[in-house]
Amino acid sequence: RKEVEQDPGPFNVPEGATVAFNCTYSNSASQSFFWYRQDCRKEPKLLMSVYSSGNEDGRFTAQLNRASQYISLLIRDSKLSDSATYLCVVSGTGGFKTIFGAGTRLFVKA
Amino acid sequence: GAVVSQHPSWVICKSGTSVKIECRSLDFQATTMFWYRQFPKQSLMLMATSNEGSKATYEQGVEKDKFLINHASLTLSTLTVTSAHPEDSSFYICSARLGQVASPLHFGNGTRLTVT
Repeated sequence: RKEVEQDPGPFNVPEGATVAFNCTYSNSASQSFFWYRQDCRKEPKLLMSVYSSGNEDGRFTAQLNRASQYISLLIRDSKLSDSATYLCVVSGTGGFKTIFGAGTRLFVKA
Repeated sequence: GAVVSQHPSWVICKSGTSVKIECRSLDFQATTMFWYRQFPKQSLMLMATSNEGSKATYEQGVEKDKFLINHASLTLSTLTVTSAHPEDSSFYICSARLGQVASPLHFGNGTRLTVT
């Protein structure tokens, strides 16, 4: 089992749609969780951190379920510019390495 | 604005030559930096952890004599791909943390290496 697993893609959605990505992690000692966005041939960029109580940033909502060891990202009112690969990232302390999911590709179409 | 700067953005070299990639933290000190490699349509793969003032820690399967890492100052880490071959062609990205261990990674803009 991979340490961090994401929904297989790609997701093809029309503009304005709501889309959700899930990610599961295997290490219960994981402490920090993030969603990154990576555009084609570019470096990953931090989209948002994920907090235990859940957090929202505009059209983006992130949730964390520690008991089930998964995190989610919800994108509302999708825009063409949201087309990218979304990476689930898990980190910790005490020598725990930051682990990247393989990414989920999103295509938003007009 | 960017907090990690990487140079060059792209490089084309001939087989057998060596290529040096620089990663700089901007306006903050990074005792640890990370080097990743990403092949097309694949996920980021951690190559090594660069430690200021000491030897880098390499991931399993990464040849330390081929990928030389030097972290001589608190703001600069370099990755040198020695005796490059076409199979080394890839997207190399460095990253660093602005704060404590649990804080997110910030990435350089990446270096696209093509070995002919």
